[in-house]
Amino acid sequence: KQEVTQIPAALSVPEGENLVLNCSFTDSAIYNLQWFRQDPGKGLTSLLLIQSSQREQTSGRLNASLDKSSGRSTLYIAASQPGDSATYLCAVNDFGNEKLTFGTGTRLTIIP
Amino acid sequence: DGGITQSPKYLFRKEGQNVTLSCEQNLNHDAMYWYRQDPGQGLRLIYYSQIVNDFQKGDIAEGYSVSREKKESFPLTVTSAQKNPTAFYLCASSLRGAVYNEQFFGPGTRLTVL
Repeated sequence: KQEVTQIPAALSVPEGENLVLNCSFTDSAIYNLQWFRQDPGKGLTSLLLIQSSQREQTSGRLNASLDKSSGRSTLYIAASQPGDSATYLCAVNDFGNEKLTFGTGTRLTIIP
Repeated sequence: DGGITQSPKYLFRKEGQNVTLSCEQNLNHDAMYWYRQDPGQGLRLIYYSQIVNDFQKGDIAEGYSVSREKKESFPLTVTSAQKNPTAFYLCASSLRGAVYNEQFFGPGTRLTVL
């Protein structure tokens, strides 16, 4: 059974710093991995999707990497801003499975 | 505006009542999903549907029911058999199945059982 872990559960960094969020998964037989952002009381916003054949994806200040063999993905946020404060969730889609398995998220606070 | 709408935003239910949560999308997506989110836990899949008139159980389907009579709509009924229904419910859709396709989420419905 796939398990997805995100550590730490919470992270605070000063504005302007670069930061890395981590996601690990137990079963490397995945189709893709998706990173989401969730603001308090809101739905999820898709940030990046990495296919299993890809190593990384970039969107603006965000860069996500995928290392299937080690069961890890990272989300790199450059030049952090207070508006980046949110909970970041990663989710994997397993082979032969239509569902996403989610981590519990990292709550990020950017300190002005 | 293309997107996914969920209604109502907040819902209060007395014990023993069935309630139906609405999910509509105008993205022309084939697949739709219902998730439940509880504090400190990841999202868990309740039901999903890849085509009209067909749906499959997810990990926690007990006490829930769905229908998919139209491509745009995937309502979720929380029945009185669901023992702990208080949670945040999220609907999602994707162009085809989850493979190679991003899932997009609605704003959610917060259900509270009184």
